[in-house]
Amino acid sequence: AQTVTQSQPEMSVQEAETVTLSCTYDTSESDYYLFWYKQPPSRQMILVIRQEAYKQQNATENRFSVNFQKAAKSFSLKISDSQLGDAAMYFCAYKRGNYQLIWGAGTKLIIKP
Amino acid sequence: GAGVSQSPSNKVTEKGKDVELRCDPISGHTALYWYRQSLGQGLEFLIYFQGNSAPDKSGLPSDRFSAERTGGSVSTLTIQRTQQEDSAVYLCASSFLSGGAAGELFFGEGSRLTVL
Repeated sequence: AQTVTQSQPEMSVQEAETVTLSCTYDTSESDYYLFWYKQPPSRQMILVIRQEAYKQQNATENRFSVNFQKAAKSFSLKISDSQLGDAAMYFCAYKRGNYQLIWGAGTKLIIKP
Repeated sequence: GAGVSQSPSNKVTEKGKDVELRCDPISGHTALYWYRQSLGQGLEFLIYFQGNSAPDKSGLPSDRFSAERTGGSVSTLTIQRTQQEDSAVYLCASSFLSGGAAGELFFGEGSRLTVL
């Protein structure tokens, strides 16, 4: 069965610095999608970035980028120039089949001013 | 609408009472999901609707839980005879078709249910 593991329950970073959130997953499939979602205190989940497994190039969205290591089944999120508004829970998710997403337990990111 | 709307935002109920949670998805989105998020946990899949197809109810934890989607739009999640372990945030998400291959979901702000 597919699983998604986020081994860091909580991370903290100084404002303007860089932080990396870890995610590993388990699958026997070769083609799939991976996502990072952000959940601020408002509770509304927002897509941060996505990666298609068949693409070698790591996805990038402004200050957010991923390090996708397919063989190692690792999908980490790097946030550069951290801002106070980045404080949130971050969830890694794996898309199984046409619609099912498998979610990690989340990492709470704290930004220190 | 502009986004996924959920109501009520917060609900406190007594054990044994029934509750209804409502989700109004983004207009035109044919796929709708319900998830449950317990404190400090990830998202637990409950049910999935896609157009007129039979819903995937495989995540519903017991027969006290049911959901319907009328006219392919608004959905209601009903929990009968609530128990304290039902306390959680219930999140609704919608997407166009199944979000395509990319699977982007658009979430509401959730309904926080507290069962006393």
